[in-house]
Amino acid sequence: DTEVTQTPKHLVMGMTNKKSLKCEQHMGHRAMYWYKQKAKKPPELMFVYSYEKLSINESVPSRFSPECPNSSLLNLHLHALQPEDSALYLCASSENNYAGNYGYTFGSGTRLTVV
Amino acid sequence: TQLLEQSPQFLSIQEGENLTVYCNSSSVFSSLQWYRQEPGEGPVLLVTVVTGGEVKKLKRLTFQFGDARKDSSLHITAAQPGDTGLYLCAGESYNTDKLIFGTGTRLQVFP
Repeated sequence: DTEVTQTPKHLVMGMTNKKSLKCEQHMGHRAMYWYKQKAKKPPELMFVYSYEKLSINESVPSRFSPECPNSSLLNLHLHALQPEDSALYLCASSENNYAGNYGYTFGSGTRLTVV
Repeated sequence: TQLLEQSPQFLSIQEGENLTVYCNSSSVFSSLQWYRQEPGEGPVLLVTVVTGGEVKKLKRLTFQFGDARKDSSLHITAAQPGDTGLYLCAGESYNTDKLIFGTGTRLQVFP
């Protein structure tokens, strides 16, 4: 299995809703990442987990809450989002916290719309 | 703040033409990666370069990492419509877990 699987593929939520994005990989990768990508822009790093511990939070608002239940799973819990949070949310994984020759494997993303 | 600037931002060419995309920064990177992204999908890794001056070839694509490890280029020979997409360079810093993406180059190849 050489994929990163993200669910759901599309999500529409109201500003008072609570929802979660899920990400799963079975490649034995020890580092996992959340990126946010707005239309016609490059991906922007949000969070990095290394060996199941949060190692980087790029000053993301607290309405986004990451969770890494185990080495294969990464969640992003969403609460009280704003319309400007609408974007493609990408999960990625890498061999370890130094991608080096291996690069990152990205999922197909969750297209989030906040109404 | 580390920035990776790509040029050109947009490129529309005919099938069979050659092109080069540039990725420049004032920062030094431990590795430089190139990805291609299609609409509604995540980026797909094309290549990583880790040694200053390194050149890698992948069929019609040639990637180069600058001697000073601050810049990179992607050259495509005889472009095909299937090469259409968003090309992203991404740099990894020493001693961090961060992969920072360049500003992107949107390529359209017409038959």
